[in-house]
Amino acid sequence: QKEVEQNSGPLSVPEGAIASLNCTYSDRGSQSFFWYRQYSGKSPELIMSIYSNGDKEDGRFTAQLNKASQYVSLLIRDSQPSDSATYLCAVDTGNQFYFGTGTSLTVIP
Amino acid sequence: GAGVSQSPSNKVTEKGKDVELRCDPISGHTALYWYRQSLGQGLEFLIYFQGNSAPDKSGLPSDRFSAERTGGSVSTLTIQRTQQEDSAVYLCASSQRQGRDVFGPSTIYFGEGSWLTVV
Repeated sequence: QKEVEQNSGPLSVPEGAIASLNCTYSDRGSQSFFWYRQYSGKSPELIMSIYSNGDKEDGRFTAQLNKASQYVSLLIRDSQPSDSATYLCAVDTGNQFYFGTGTSLTVIP
Repeated sequence: GAGVSQSPSNKVTEKGKDVELRCDPISGHTALYWYRQSLGQGLEFLIYFQGNSAPDKSGLPSDRFSAERTGGSVSTLTIQRTQQEDSAVYLCASSQRQGRDVFGPSTIYFGEGSWLTVV
């Protein structure tokens, strides 16, 4: 079992819609959770971090964490074509950072 | 520095030659990570440093790969006798510390990568 699992997609949504990205992790002792965005040919950039159960909102982005279910998600509201990228879920277990393989998102104008 | 700095940004080398890739982490960051990403693929963990020591070298693909970190700062990833399958972007990242402590969680930041092409 991989430490972090994501649906590889591709996920396509129309412009203005809500994009929902999901991630599960295996280590119950995991402490911190992150979402990175990676444009083609670029390095990953941090867009959200979440540490406590519940929702955390930042502009059009909302991260959701459920430690009991070992599940973290990212919602992107009012999706824009510029949101088209690969989204990486990352988990810090306290010993190591683990990355998922990423979900490719395409926002269709 | 302000961000993670990597050099060279691009490197084309002949098969069989050795290459060195350099990473200068964010000032004050004690943890440093090397990842590899082949075209269209996910991140492949190579090695992680805490200070100058490497608690986890499990991701190094073969004994042709080695890495060191000196002075708790700059790290060098060396690939000996390069092969065409080594062609990829090599990403370095750093964080203030590994894991969570009394100051809270830590976040990992990436450099722009070193694009290696072996011909």
